[in-house]
Amino acid sequence: EVQLLESGRDLVRPGGSVRLSCVASGFTFSPFAMNWVRQAPGKGLEWVSTIRGSGDGTYYADSVKGRFTISRDNSRNTLYLEMNSLRAEDTAIYYCAKARLSTSHDFQPLDYWGQGTLVTVSS
Amino acid sequence: DIQMTQSPSSLSASVGDRVTITCRASQDISLSLAWYQQKPGKAPKLLLYAASRLETGVPSRFSGRGSGTDYSLTISSLQPEDFATYSCQQYYSTPLTFGGGTKVEIK
Repeated sequence: EVQLLESGRDLVRPGGSVRLSCVASGFTFSPFAMNWVRQAPGKGLEWVSTIRGSGDGTYYADSVKGRFTISRDNSRNTLYLEMNSLRAEDTAIYYCAKARLSTSHDFQPLDYWGQGTLVTVSS
Repeated sequence: DIQMTQSPSSLSASVGDRVTITCRASQDISLSLAWYQQKPGKAPKLLLYAASRLETGVPSRFSGRGSGTDYSLTISSLQPEDFATYSCQQYYSTPLTFGGGTKVEIK
């Protein structure tokens, strides 16, 4: 059974930093691109970032470019999101999500999602 | 960036009703469209991809169609467990973008 389990500090000051983790199980992690998607309270879904299976390609939403860094450790089946210079508008539930196919196409439907971790940016 | 305009933003329907939700992309996305269902407090669930392909395990009352810029999701006979929020997503190009969501409520 595919499982994605996110974790990370939940309350951060504006300007602060936090690293989210997502531990994957139930599938071979390394071939699949992975994603972070967030959802502000009461709002719609917003794509944040994608990383290739090999880790050699990364993509970011303009709203987080230069502040967030996606990475992965395929030996630990773990996806990360390093979030710096946090703003109130970064407050959201952050989901990690798996690409549906292990192909060369970096952008795919997302077939498994974690339960999400809430990050609140507030003083 | 490709904008995804989803409509309606909400609808009320009864069990057994046929429901259709539409999604319009700001440019041709060549069938690179997925639909997700999300229930309160839960993660999104993939229903369809490539505009019309049903994800494994999803009931056949869900269907999708469309091409170019215009796509739709239809639930042929709404069931109690289908009351949720539905969102479309294009994965044709970065940044990946989602529609604003359609909340399907019980009439």
